[in-house]
Amino acid sequence: GNSVTQMEGPVTLSEEAFLTINCTYTATGYPSLFWYVQYPGEGLQLLLKATKADDKGSNKGFEATYRKETTSFHLEKGSVQVSDSAVYFCAQYNQGGKLIFGQGTELSVKP
Amino acid sequence: NAGVTQTPKFRVLKTGQSMTLLCAQDMNHEYMYWYRQDPGMGLRLIHYSVGEGTTAKGEVPDGYNVSRLKKQNFLLGLESAAPSQTSVYFCASSYSTGLNEQFFGPGTRLTVL
Repeated sequence: GNSVTQMEGPVTLSEEAFLTINCTYTATGYPSLFWYVQYPGEGLQLLLKATKADDKGSNKGFEATYRKETTSFHLEKGSVQVSDSAVYFCAQYNQGGKLIFGQGTELSVKP
Repeated sequence: NAGVTQTPKFRVLKTGQSMTLLCAQDMNHEYMYWYRQDPGMGLRLIHYSVGEGTTAKGEVPDGYNVSRLKKQNFLLGLESAAPSQTSVYFCASSYSTGLNEQFFGPGTRLTVL
């Protein structure tokens, strides 16, 4: 069935470091893909999305490109800040009208 | 706009007790969802609703019931709580299908002893 796999965390970086969080998916066809972020003590918020192959979603300095050849949607940011510390979830939308989430990757950014 | 609100924020139950979690949204969204979040497992869909008066099972529906009597409210019930239901529960809503952004509530932390 459809699934989403993310790199295991926690990921610990120093401020201004480059971030990559890997995400791959299995699906029938080409689902829409999402990154959601969960700040401590809060619910999830949509960070960015891409609805078709080669689309690039971007927001708040984060980017992710929909790669159908590698079935991937890796999240990147060129220079992380302490305020980016959160849990990041990759997700796909399936035809049943539901989101399928990865297990989440915790990011901790140290000053 | 309050967005999506959940009541209560925290709750401790004993095995076998029952409770209802309330979710309310003020965005006039058609779709509403209940998820549970467990360490290392991401979010798993319990039940969802595509409109007032409708409900459907998600990935992990056993032990839960839901009702959507009013468009703005989505209730999650546990009739006989079990320790395996210890989790953080999130409600979400969206304008229509999952292609649209889902807006999440702040969560309810439930512990079943």
